[in-house]
Amino acid sequence: NAGVTQTPKFQVLKTGQSMTLQCAQDMNHNSMYWYRQDPGMGLRLIYYSASEGTTDKGEVPNGYNVSRLNKREFSLRLESAAPSQTSVYFCASADRGGNTIYFGEGSWLTVV
Amino acid sequence: LAKTTQPISMDSYEGQEVNITCSHNNIATNDYITWYQQFPSQGPRFIIQGYKTKVTNEVASLFIPADRKSSTLSLPRVSLSDTAVYYCLVGDLRGNTPLVFGKGTRLSVIA
Repeated sequence: NAGVTQTPKFQVLKTGQSMTLQCAQDMNHNSMYWYRQDPGMGLRLIYYSASEGTTDKGEVPNGYNVSRLNKREFSLRLESAAPSQTSVYFCASADRGGNTIYFGEGSWLTVV
Repeated sequence: LAKTTQPISMDSYEGQEVNITCSHNNIATNDYITWYQQFPSQGPRFIIQGYKTKVTNEVASLFIPADRKSSTLSLPRVSLSDTAVYYCLVGDLRGNTPLVFGKGTRLSVIA
């Protein structure tokens, strides 16, 4: 079972560059989430998608865009990376009939 | 959104029972209370979930009073490997609400 898979695991960007973090889940879950976690801090919700075709802003959406490509995939895009976006990014998914969120292993992003 | 408040950090000696309390004064009727554990460089993982009263599994117990405005995670006889950050999450996974984590409690277990 792959669960929630994120790519890439590590990335270094220059200020102003763009990139997309990919996330895919194989558990047929309806809901998917993107969180960021700064060093020594808690998780903050960037965007979420309650179902295929819908996306909504979370706590810290500025500087990011998302796409729910299909039920399996939920990508996060940084259009013009800034040093303040240096963080660990976690993708997660959940089933409305289930009782927990499943997290990916994280993507470490450094913007210099 | 149900906001949660937890102590920032706690210390405990090995073998002791640890209780971490979470406040969630504006919990909604359909919200469940779920606790997660996070080790450094890993994503959070599920520990336990409850709606009311008491829930127990092989790793922890969860106590929820009748008014549901708080909950307490109880870890029996902690070991060094229980050193982690613990998050209380309140929300309805069965709906479309966003799931917002609090700041978590950093538990340090000392030998």
